[in-house]
Amino acid sequence: EAGVAQSPRYKIIEKRQSVAFWCNPISGHATLYWYQQILGQGPKLLIQFQNNGVVDDSQLPKDRFSAERLKGVDSTLKIQPAKLEDSAVYLCASSFGPNTGELFFGEGSRLTVL
Amino acid sequence: DAKTTQPNSMESNEEEPVHLPCNHSTISGTDYIHWYRQLPSQGPEYVIHGLTSNVNNRMASLAIAEDRKSSTLILHRATLRDAAVYYCIPQNARGGKLIFGQGTELSVKP
Repeated sequence: EAGVAQSPRYKIIEKRQSVAFWCNPISGHATLYWYQQILGQGPKLLIQFQNNGVVDDSQLPKDRFSAERLKGVDSTLKIQPAKLEDSAVYLCASSFGPNTGELFFGEGSRLTVL
Repeated sequence: DAKTTQPNSMESNEEEPVHLPCNHSTISGTDYIHWYRQLPSQGPEYVIHGLTSNVNNRMASLAIAEDRKSSTLILHRATLRDAAVYYCIPQNARGGKLIFGQGTELSVKP
């Protein structure tokens, strides 16, 4: 069974530029999550989707971050404009439903903002 | 959301058992206790979870204190591949979000 796919694995940009990350969850998983993991810290939930609707985006910095899951399958996370403090690994995870604690994570996309 | 306290780091020798503790004294009666681990340069992976009873699976065992204020993840025979950061995460039974703390960095010596 294919796992959660993310791309790109690595991205280097300058501050004030924009970047987008893509995630394809495990087939059949209705719930999709984006986490941000800053070096030395645990992952922090940015946004949770149930199918194509947002369940929780309370930790998403909405002035610069946006995410969509238009058809309820794959998802894109965008940052515009990027700041130095956005340097982190962006992890996508999926689960069968919203009430399970068993999430399946991708390998992440590492962003470096110079 | 329940707070957790874990040691920052622990060391183990290969092929010896490892007991990773977690304090979650503010846990509510309906919170599950989940354990995840994160190998270097990878996303976290689910290890095990439980509510009240001790649980076993192919990866590990989870021992939950009778008062549920603490739990211990047990790796019966550590291997080099078990070197990772281990996270203990309470989650409301109604499906609250998983909040990762700092975790415990486990190193395994050959």
